[in-house]
Amino acid sequence: GAGVSQSPSNKVTEKGKDVELRCDPISGHTALYWYRQSLGQGLEFLIYFQGNSAPDKSGLPSDRFSAERTGGSVSTLTIQRTQQEDSAVYLCASSGRWSTDTQYFGPGTRLTVL
Amino acid sequence: SQQGEEDPQALSIQEGENATMNCSYKTSINNLQWYRQNSGRGLVHLILIRSNEREKHSGRLRVTLDTSKKSSSLLITASRAADTASYFCATDGGGNTPLVFGKGTRLSVIA
Repeated sequence: GAGVSQSPSNKVTEKGKDVELRCDPISGHTALYWYRQSLGQGLEFLIYFQGNSAPDKSGLPSDRFSAERTGGSVSTLTIQRTQQEDSAVYLCASSGRWSTDTQYFGPGTRLTVL
Repeated sequence: SQQGEEDPQALSIQEGENATMNCSYKTSINNLQWYRQNSGRGLVHLILIRSNEREKHSGRLRVTLDTSKKSSSLLITASRAADTASYFCATDGGGNTPLVFGKGTRLSVIA
């Protein structure tokens, strides 16, 4: 079956603009995660969904970042008033029922803020 | 704080040699996983070892887990140029909490 997909694959935006990143998890996966990875660095956890609810939002770096998930499937990560330090690859992953299960990653969205 | 930390940060070896990467963590876990990442894109799951297991094999991969030392190692035998990638360990916090990834080991296999 299809894996995790993300769109767009690349996004270039100007400082101050809002961006919306999309993640389509594997069908039937109830857990969904967003991470951020700066060049040459590890993964920074942003937010985790179990179904449509987000029990763990602890990683969101500021109130400019928000995420939602509807219908227990597609999720969008919105960054308002983008800053240059938001430039990174944003990775989405999904897993079965439990947050400790194997995670399946999408290819990521490379965001560049000019 | 970060749960898993890989060591070394970077490793360069010749094709055919074995590569060993280590991961240390801080709290009790349910399982530990290793992932691979090519070219800064999505990660691919390699292997999962449960807290009651000590060693696990998958093809050329061998993973060990020492819960008393809170450490794990990933061994890649007979390395190939295609093994060049970053390798990350990921641990849970012992409950139903999201995995936490380390900063990774960048492996370069020179043909």
